[in-house]
Amino acid sequence: DADVTQTPRNRITKTGKRIMLECSQTKGHDRMYWYRQDPGLGLRLIYYSFDVKDINKGEISDGYSVSRQAQAKFSLSLESAIPNQTALYFCATSDPTSGRAYEQFFGPGTRLTVL
Amino acid sequence: AQSVTQLDSHVSVSEGTPVLLRCNYSSSYSPSLFWYVQHPNKGLQLLLKYTSAATLVKGINGFEAEFKKSETSFHLTKPSAHMSDAAEYFCVVSPWGRDDKIIFGKGTRLHILP
Repeated sequence: DADVTQTPRNRITKTGKRIMLECSQTKGHDRMYWYRQDPGLGLRLIYYSFDVKDINKGEISDGYSVSRQAQAKFSLSLESAIPNQTALYFCATSDPTSGRAYEQFFGPGTRLTVL
Repeated sequence: AQSVTQLDSHVSVSEGTPVLLRCNYSSSYSPSLFWYVQHPNKGLQLLLKYTSAATLVKGINGFEAEFKKSETSFHLTKPSAHMSDAAEYFCVVSPWGRDDKIIFGKGTRLHILP
């Protein structure tokens, strides 16, 4: 089945380190998203990309950057990790032309801990 | 502006009894409304969505939700809970055609008692 995959699934890092979270999808969707989930806060949008040349900031983009290397790949970077970036990170895709407009398909998540 | 409020952070029901998870929304636009479910250590999965067609929306696994514009509500229900329904549920709103403006509720954790 077509899928959204994220690597790594778990990561422990130290304050000040640069890290990259990767997302790949085989759904052929143009739109991709990065969210973070914190207990009791739901999901908040970090960045989104409507195609390879279109990248936009979401609600909480400070401290993060992204790269859309191809239609299928969307990476999230923390240039200098800090403890309050400890969270569960999700990648998602959507395809409004599919007839199932705006349903988002989520990866399994990356649990990031910054010490 | 838009917002979504899930009225209960935790709900506990006995297996075989009805489930009600409450969601109220606010939107300046015609909204699309969704319910997603997250099982432990999993990503989110769409349960159902409202996109201005029928106000009573049926989803997977026996769940349904009713859009009530006058009450600005989109409550999720299921007639009979199953142990496998134990999960966290998110109500989500976005303006029609604007999933860059998507807003997630804070979630309701559903506990199923044997």
